[in-house]
Amino acid sequence: LAKTTQPISMDSYEGQEVNITCSHNNIATNDYITWYQQFPSQGPRFIIQGYKTKVTNEVASLFIPADRKSSTLSLPRVSLSDTAVYYCLVGDEGGKLIFGQGTELSVKP
Amino acid sequence: ETGVTQTPRHLVMGMTNKKSLKCEQHLGHNAMYWYKQSAKKPLELMFVYNFKEQTENNSVPSRFSPECPNSSHLFLHLHTLQPEDSALYLCASSQVVAYGYTFGSGTRLTVV
Repeated sequence: LAKTTQPISMDSYEGQEVNITCSHNNIATNDYITWYQQFPSQGPRFIIQGYKTKVTNEVASLFIPADRKSSTLSLPRVSLSDTAVYYCLVGDEGGKLIFGQGTELSVKP
Repeated sequence: ETGVTQTPRHLVMGMTNKKSLKCEQHLGHNAMYWYKQSAKKPLELMFVYNFKEQTENNSVPSRFSPECPNSSHLFLHLHTLQPEDSALYLCASSQVVAYGYTFGSGTRLTVV
């Protein structure tokens, strides 16, 4: 049973800010929100994780509204190397993480 | 290098062969996982091990047999596979189940 909904694909240009929104209407109280990045023929790579409000690290920001029913991954000033599939997952320490279709981001010159 | 090492990176096997995939992590994690990723499909969770004990088998056919001798090593034994089993097999680990996965680079398996 999919717990998240994301756009299938997005296009952007180098230097732009990209925002990918994920819906998780049935998020549970204990669930964290985690984003992964995957390049072809490689394993997904952890990007960022949050529970509420805003989290920022060296590669991305994660915005979570008060109701936590959605979240937005923000990638500042993307480059060609950011072309990848981005996955949004929700889960807690007791439950397994299920991957959805993800969002295929294509960054063009 | 992610801290989770999978070998081999590529494997071609016949339908009557027996082979094994190996996964090793030195992150001190207690949970390990096998995922299957077929072309243009989402990752499918196959098995979950927590403190060496299997806690999840996601209706995986018996031709896939996992083994977890300790918290650092995970194997996937393969026998009598079908061409539709060709996929990228990914191993992951985490400190606790479902929290902060670290993935290996995967084994690209081709069944001929």
